[in-house]
Amino acid sequence: GQQVMQIPQYQHVQEGEDFTTYCNSSTTLSNIQWYKQRPGGHPVFLIQLVKSGEVKKQKRLTFQFGEAKKNSSLHITATQTTDVGTYFCAAEPGGTSYGKLTFGQGTILTVHP
Amino acid sequence: GAGVSQSPRYKVAKRGQDVALRCDPISGHVSLFWYQQALGQGPEFLTYFQNEAQLDKSGLPSDRFFAERPEGSVSTLKIQRTQQEDSAVYLCASSLSPGQGARGYTFGSGTRLTVV
Repeated sequence: GQQVMQIPQYQHVQEGEDFTTYCNSSTTLSNIQWYKQRPGGHPVFLIQLVKSGEVKKQKRLTFQFGEAKKNSSLHITATQTTDVGTYFCAAEPGGTSYGKLTFGQGTILTVHP
Repeated sequence: GAGVSQSPRYKVAKRGQDVALRCDPISGHVSLFWYQQALGQGPEFLTYFQNEAQLDKSGLPSDRFFAERPEGSVSTLKIQRTQQEDSAVYLCASSLSPGQGARGYTFGSGTRLTVV
């Protein structure tokens, strides 16, 4: 089945530093979604990327989808303590398999004030 | 409702006991999904409903797992003869229609099942 690798597993940063997590697939993806899960919480949808080479921004967050649609990244500029949590990428097969997301292992972000 | 509601929030079951987990999706949401999240892992797909029809149950780990959505709204995930490896958070997600796409999927707070 489809596999999605996400690195790094952990990232500890000082408040104000930047953060990046990477997601890679061996197969071409229909689309990729990003979710944030706070400690003890549930995944919350951040964004979906569909087009090859797509770049989307949400305030300090920048999301990219690779040209080959096999990789994606999430970059946070000037982290804040509110950014703490686990960031997951999730690939959706497309076709009729909507919602059958394959999640990466997640990157746990810790921000030290 | 305003969000996806799951109950109970926590469940402790003795090994061998049957459990039933409930999901109340956002009103009007056609698609409903169940995921299993083990500690320190990403959620893993279990099953998918479109209205009352279970269109995909390929992720259910064994025949001890059974899900239903008889009236196309509330869904129940049942686990028979629970085992320790069933300990996990069970997440429910819903979307207005298939291929929600740009709006993503709305997850509930989950049920944390601990089998002792």
